Amino acid sequence: QLQLQASGSGLVKPSETLSVTCTISGGSIITNDYSWSWIRQPPGKGLEWIGYIYHRGSTYYNPSLKSRVTISVDRSKNQFSLKLSSVTAADTAVYYCARGGQGGSGSANWFDPWGQGTLVTVSS
Amino acid sequence: DIVMTQSPDSLPVSLGERATINCKSSQSVLYSSNNKNHLAWYQQKPGQPPKLLISWASTRESGVPDRFSGSGSGTDFTLTISSLQAEDVAVYSCQQYYATPYTFGQGTKLEIK
Repeated sequence: QLQLQASGSGLVKPSETLSVTCTISGGSIITNDYSWSWIRQPPGKGLEWIGYIYHRGSTYYNPSLKSRVTISVDRSKNQFSLKLSSVTAADTAVYYCARGGQGGSGSANWFDPWGQGTLVTVSS
Repeated sequence: DIVMTQSPDSLPVSLGERATINCKSSQSVLYSSNNKNHLAWYQQKPGQPPKLLISWASTRESGVPDRFSGSGSGTDFTLTISSLQAEDVAVYSCQQYYATPYTFGQGTKLEIK
């Protein structure tokens, strides 16, 4: 059974870079060419999709965050990672990783499964 | 971006009664090439990640009780729980996957009246 687990820097200072990693178990990141996404949820608020990566390294980022986001993949470790630069208090959220679809118009680009998220707090 | 708007924000329902949650998209999420609505529903219980309930607006995922159903097309969608059980207390969110950036509704908090 595929499982994902997010982990990362719990407390980050304003203007610094947030870093979180998703470790996949029970399956391979290269299976069936799925996309792998980061999604965040500020406390008490709704979900925001950040972006995705494929195992070959191609990415797509939400334009609202694109200038600050980098998503990378490590196939040897079955992991993918998120870096978000120049953070502010507005970036405080639970960061989730999830498997997406195979991308492209008309595809099944929902998210399933999700990892247990990790809370990142931005504060001095 | 496609804006997803859910109503209501909070919904108190008695056990055994029907719960209806609405989701409206700012543009149609019906893809003409496959005639499918690119709309998913998720359930999120406290302290847990979202769980996929329904895809293609009306297809229940394996293991999801049949009291959950999805309907609608184009821009207007509904998630219905036919007979509310205590374990259904959660936040429910819709998501469009018609176009990037993928977007979610703000969530509807379902509680026991």
